[in-house]
Amino acid sequence: KNEVEQSPQNLTAQEGEFITINCSYSVGISALHWLQQHPGGGIVSLFMLSSGKKKHGRLIATINIQEKHSSLHITASHPRDSAVYICAVHDGNKLVFGAGTILRVKS
Amino acid sequence: EAGVAQSPRYKIIEKRQSVAFWCNPISGHATLYWYQQILGQGPKLLIQFQNNGVVDDSQLPKDRFSAERLKGVDSTLKIQPAKLEDSAVYLCASSLVYLGQISNTGELFFGEGSRLTVL
Repeated sequence: KNEVEQSPQNLTAQEGEFITINCSYSVGISALHWLQQHPGGGIVSLFMLSSGKKKHGRLIATINIQEKHSSLHITASHPRDSAVYICAVHDGNKLVFGAGTILRVKS
Repeated sequence: EAGVAQSPRYKIIEKRQSVAFWCNPISGHATLYWYQQILGQGPKLLIQFQNNGVVDDSQLPKDRFSAERLKGVDSTLKIQPAKLEDSAVYLCASSLVYLGQISNTGELFFGEGSRLTVL
């Protein structure tokens, strides 16, 4: 079993829809990162969380330390949000990455 | 602020040849990471430097991969000899602080990556 599990693996949405991507982890962590990777592009850090909730524009990230679960929400989705979203947890020693969620937003 | 620079962006070699990738992190960032990302998978840590010292190289295939960060700034990752399964994107990332300190979990900045194809 992977230490970091993301769901869904693939997600197709219509423009304007509310999107949720989930991340569950099995190790104790000091921080959790949500990253975005566009096709052929580098990786951009969206959020770094250790508790609670963060919001940036149309993106919201939440984390529940007790349940070892985090969610990334995208409100009013747009085709330019199409990318791979990766959850990564820091276990106090190194970062462990999930396999990513491929999001496609259709206009 | 300049980002993490990597070169080359693309490299095609034949198996058993050697290749080297270069990374220049953001100025002042003490921690530097090399990741391997195979198509369809998340990044896998190869090696982590704190300044010019190695913090974690447990997943680096040391029989063929080597990395150095001699002056604690830029870094090179070398593969010799390359195998077909080494085809991947090699990502370099840096952060301001050492992530091993629980109270200091620095934001990560990634380079564009170096895409390697081994034929």
